[in-house]
Amino acid sequence: GNSVTQMEGPVTLSEEAFLTINCTYTATGYPSLFWYVQYPGEGLQLLLKATKADDKGSNKGFEATYRKETTSFHLEKGSVQVSDSAVYFCALSFIGGFKTIFGAGTRLFVKA
Amino acid sequence: NAGVTQTPKFQVLKTGQSMTLQCAQDMNHNSMYWYRQDPGMGLRLIYYSASEGTTDKGEVPNGYNVSRLNKREFSLRLESAAPSQTSVYFCASSDRTTYEQYFGPGTRLTVT
Repeated sequence: GNSVTQMEGPVTLSEEAFLTINCTYTATGYPSLFWYVQYPGEGLQLLLKATKADDKGSNKGFEATYRKETTSFHLEKGSVQVSDSAVYFCALSFIGGFKTIFGAGTRLFVKA
Repeated sequence: NAGVTQTPKFQVLKTGQSMTLQCAQDMNHNSMYWYRQDPGMGLRLIYYSASEGTTDKGEVPNGYNVSRLNKREFSLRLESAAPSQTSVYFCASSDRTTYEQYFGPGTRLTVT
């Protein structure tokens, strides 16, 4: 079946450190891939997306590249801020499908 | 543009009581969803509605019912609340062309 696996958290970094959160997927076909972010006390919101192989999604300094050969969509940021502390969810969906499959989420803490 | 709204924000129920969680979206989306979020469990899909007039079970439908009242509104009903239904409930809607999901702020429900 289709699934998304994320690295377990929590991830704790100091401000200005480099961030990587790993995400791999299993899918029959060619899904669209997403990263969602959930700030404390809020719902999820879309951070970035990529719809085909080799596409790079980017937003607010975060980037992720759709790698079909390694079935991965790792999230990266060059210099994290305290305000980036949140839970990050990797997800996939298919054109013509109605459901999005979410990973378990990775909590990020950034210390000043 | 309010996006996805949910009411109430917080609710405390006694075991056996019933209640309805309300959700509305103003983005003209066809598909709507109800999720629950529990610590360490990520997001789990309860029910979804691919389009007005249709509803389908997700991963964890037992103990819940839904109504897609019209294109804008999708409600979730707990007929006889149980402590296992203590959770944070999120409503979401999605765009049929991009498959991005838009989430409401959540309802924090405690069943004692």
